[in-house]
Amino acid sequence: AQKITQTQPGMFVQEKEAVTLDCTYDTSDPSYGLFWYKQPSSGEMIFLIYQGSYDQQNATEGRYSLNFQKARKSANLVISASQLGDSAMYFCAMTVEGSYIPTFGRGTSLIVHP
Amino acid sequence: DTGVSQDPRHKITKRGQNVTFRCDPISEHNRLYWYRQTLGQGPEFLTYFQNEAQLEKSRLLSDRFSAERPKGSFSTLEIQRTEQGDSAMYLCASSLLLADLGDEQFFGPGTRLTVL
Repeated sequence: AQKITQTQPGMFVQEKEAVTLDCTYDTSDPSYGLFWYKQPSSGEMIFLIYQGSYDQQNATEGRYSLNFQKARKSANLVISASQLGDSAMYFCAMTVEGSYIPTFGRGTSLIVHP
Repeated sequence: DTGVSQDPRHKITKRGQNVTFRCDPISEHNRLYWYRQTLGQGPEFLTYFQNEAQLEKSRLLSDRFSAERPKGSFSTLEIQRTEQGDSAMYLCASSLLLADLGDEQFFGPGTRLTVL
């Protein structure tokens, strides 16, 4: 079974600064996918970024990038130039080959202050 | 299409009553998922449909829970004889195949259930 660990219950960042949200994973499957989702206070989960285990380059989507370190089994999310609207819960998740069912971490609460 | 919708957004019920939630996925998505989320936790998988077929159910889904997707479009999740421990946010998601290793899931706003 796979496991996702997010060790930071809460993070604070100043507007326009960059922030890194940590995620480590555990699986014995060599083929897997890693995801980050954002959940604002409204409750709706929003997909941010995806990284496949065989992807050679780190994924990027606008201000979001995924720092994928396979040997360390980490998939940290980097948000550059933080905005007030980035304040939300952030969840790391993974799937393994043959199953589309993600396992989510417990999330990190990010607060961006002016 | 404006996204995944769920109805109702909030439901308060007394212990022992039955409740039913509805999810309308994005129309071209053939996969539909139900999750439960409690405070301070990430979503926990409950069940998953591909078209009208229910392909997988979590061990979390006791026999009081049942889900259907009769025509491969909308889905319903019913909880019979509700218990206080059923109080949670129930999330629905539909998916678009992203890669062999997972889908990009589009989530609805959730139904918050409170069992008194």
